[in-house]
Amino acid sequence: DGGITQSPKYLFRKEGQNVTLSCEQNLNHDAMYWYRQDPGQGLRLIYYSQIVNDFQKGDIAEGYSVSREKKESFPLTVTSAQKNPTAFYLCASSKDRGETQYFGPGTRLLVL
Amino acid sequence: AQTVTQSQPEMSVQEAETVTLSCTYDTSENNYYLFWYKQPPSRQMILVIRQEAYKQQNATENRFSVNFQKAAKSFSLKISDSQLGDTAMYFCAFMKHQTQGGSEKLVFGKGMKLTVNP
Repeated sequence: DGGITQSPKYLFRKEGQNVTLSCEQNLNHDAMYWYRQDPGQGLRLIYYSQIVNDFQKGDIAEGYSVSREKKESFPLTVTSAQKNPTAFYLCASSKDRGETQYFGPGTRLLVL
Repeated sequence: AQTVTQSQPEMSVQEAETVTLSCTYDTSENNYYLFWYKQPPSRQMILVIRQEAYKQQNATENRFSVNFQKAAKSFSLKISDSQLGDTAMYFCAFMKHQTQGGSEKLVFGKGMKLTVNP
């Protein structure tokens, strides 16, 4: 089955710790995106990548980092510089520019 | 900057009835796309319907249809024959058409909680 997978489903972070959220797609999509969702809010873009080895900051990139070494994978690292990381994180991908974005099941990040 | 407004935070409807969800947006762009996404309790975002701004015809997808009024910058979603499985958060989203460079990011409204009652 083609789709987008995210792991883990739940993630706990201790103070000062970096954590990495995984996003994998087997849809052969070129573009991938990371969004953050807070309670009662819509989604906000953190980072996006249109091709391998290239990525751009979104609206709320501070405290986050990404890599795009493979077409299928776009991991997101939440660094210790992100002071309010508790949120639901959604990864998406699209075939090309202007194409519909499809979402993974999400990762819920909680701070201990 | 584009903004998307969903003014109704919550609605409920009886099973088999029709319900309309409202959405307005603000943009100076002429070419763009509009979407409705559904987020059930599982929290996965699921595409409901997509509309290209250059198309005058309203998009339809089975029980879901839109009323796209470009001049009024309005994009409402009509759900016919509501089913219990339609219970979810519904998000309206805007995407600017980029000819070169830049982000194809989605700009979301804050969402509306729809409950379908038996």
